Amino acid sequence: EAGVVQSPRYKIIEKKQPVAFWCNPISGHNTLYWYRQNLGQGPELLIRYENEEAVDDSQLPKDRFSAERLKGVDSTLKIQPAELGDSAVYLCASSLDFGPRVDYGYTFGSGTRLTVV
Amino acid sequence: QQPVQSPQAMILREGEDAVINCSSSKALYSVHWYRQKHGEAPVFLMILLKGGEQKGHDKISASFNEKKQQSSLYLTASQLSYSGTYFCGTESGSNYKLTFGKGTLLTVNP
Repeated sequence: EAGVVQSPRYKIIEKKQPVAFWCNPISGHNTLYWYRQNLGQGPELLIRYENEEAVDDSQLPKDRFSAERLKGVDSTLKIQPAELGDSAVYLCASSLDFGPRVDYGYTFGSGTRLTVV
Repeated sequence: QQPVQSPQAMILREGEDAVINCSSSKALYSVHWYRQKHGEAPVFLMILLKGGEQKGHDKISASFNEKKQQSSLYLTASQLSYSGTYFCGTESGSNYKLTFGKGTLLTVNP
C-alpha cells in the first residue's frame, strides 16, 4: 500500500514568489493534516480536513497561506507571497478517522523542504 | 499548549535502556509517540488513551499517567535502529487537536 505521497520533495524560491505543495493521502483516509516543521522543532498544525471540509484552520496564516482539498482526496497548500520565515518542512499526514484517538495514529508523508532565499 | 519533552537529547550504547518523558500542563485525552529519522517522515509508534494504560510492542513501551498529565516512552535494550528524534503529540481539551513537543534526539552508538 502506498503511503502518503507529497511533491515536490524540495523547493527553493525567492521571497515574494508563490509556491504550492501537493499531497495525496492514503486511500480511504478521511482526515488530512498539513503540518509545518521548523528545524529542530516538532510539527505544528496548519490545517485539518475532514473529507473536503477544513475543520480547523485556526493556525493557518490566512493572509498568505491557502489550502484546498477537492473531492476529499488530494490536497494543495499554497503560499503567496513567500517570506524568508516560511522556510521549513511542510508535512502532510492522513488518518482513517476523525481526531487524534485513532488506533493507528497519523501517517506522515516525507514532506516538502522549502527554502526561501 | 505544547507538551514538554525531556531530555532534549541523549546518547546510548547499544543494549542500554532509555526513558523519554512528555509532560503537559493540561489534562490529556490521548498521547501519540512518533520516531523521525533525519530527512524522513515521522513514523507512528503508539497511542495511549485517557485511562492510565500502558502499551508496548517488542522492546518499546509507553505509559500514560493521567493524574500527572504525563507520558513516558521506554526503550529497552536499544538497537542502532532506535536512533532518531522522538516526538510526543498530546491531545488536551476537546478540540481533537494534536500538539507536538520539541522532540528528544536519541543517538545509539555501537
